[in-house]
Amino acid sequence: NAGVTQTPKFRILKIGQSMTLQCTQDMNHNYMYWYRQDPGMGLKLIYYSVGAGITDKGEVPNGYNVSRSTTEDFPLRLELAAPSQTSVYFCASRQQGGAQPQHFGDGTRLSIL
Amino acid sequence: GIQVEQSPPDLILQEGANSTLRCNFSDSVNNLQWFHQNPWGQLINLFYIPSGTKQNGRLSATTVATERYSLLYISSSQTTDSGVYFCARSPGGGADGLTFGKGTHLIIQP
Repeated sequence: NAGVTQTPKFRILKIGQSMTLQCTQDMNHNYMYWYRQDPGMGLKLIYYSVGAGITDKGEVPNGYNVSRSTTEDFPLRLELAAPSQTSVYFCASRQQGGAQPQHFGDGTRLSIL
Repeated sequence: GIQVEQSPPDLILQEGANSTLRCNFSDSVNNLQWFHQNPWGQLINLFYIPSGTKQNGRLSATTVATERYSLLYISSSQTTDSGVYFCARSPGGGADGLTFGKGTHLIIQP
């Protein structure tokens, strides 16, 4: 099993550009999450999804959009990139039901210049 | 809001030493995880431990949910243990995301 796969691993954007960060998981998990990690800090929740067609905001959703058309995929879109969105982005998933651990991808390092 | 506090923020040890990292949380916990973020930025799942004690090789963890803290023990430290250790928790059995602490930055010197 590949687990949670994120692409790309690195990306540099110019201010105002848009891009989509890809996340896919092969564990048939219903719950998926996007976090961002700023330098010297822990991760903060951007958006999450409990299943296909259902998404909800986390702690820091401004400037981002998500969609969930399939169980496997949970892309994160930046419409108008800003320097404040320079960060490392992590995708995670977990099994539905009870208390289950979250499994993380390797992250996408994004710089906005 | 929900608080997760980790201590110490930084720790420098010699190879072979033992260490204890602490995580305090301000609310009830249903899911508590310990992660190691290696120098390449990858988050490695160490323990899923909402309560009780678990051991995996040189690492062990204990969570006392009623007193709202968790401890991570590292014995016989190796240089490969260096990195940042995060504690993260979520309150309930739903789809809640994890709230992370700021981490403990551990440096193991040869």
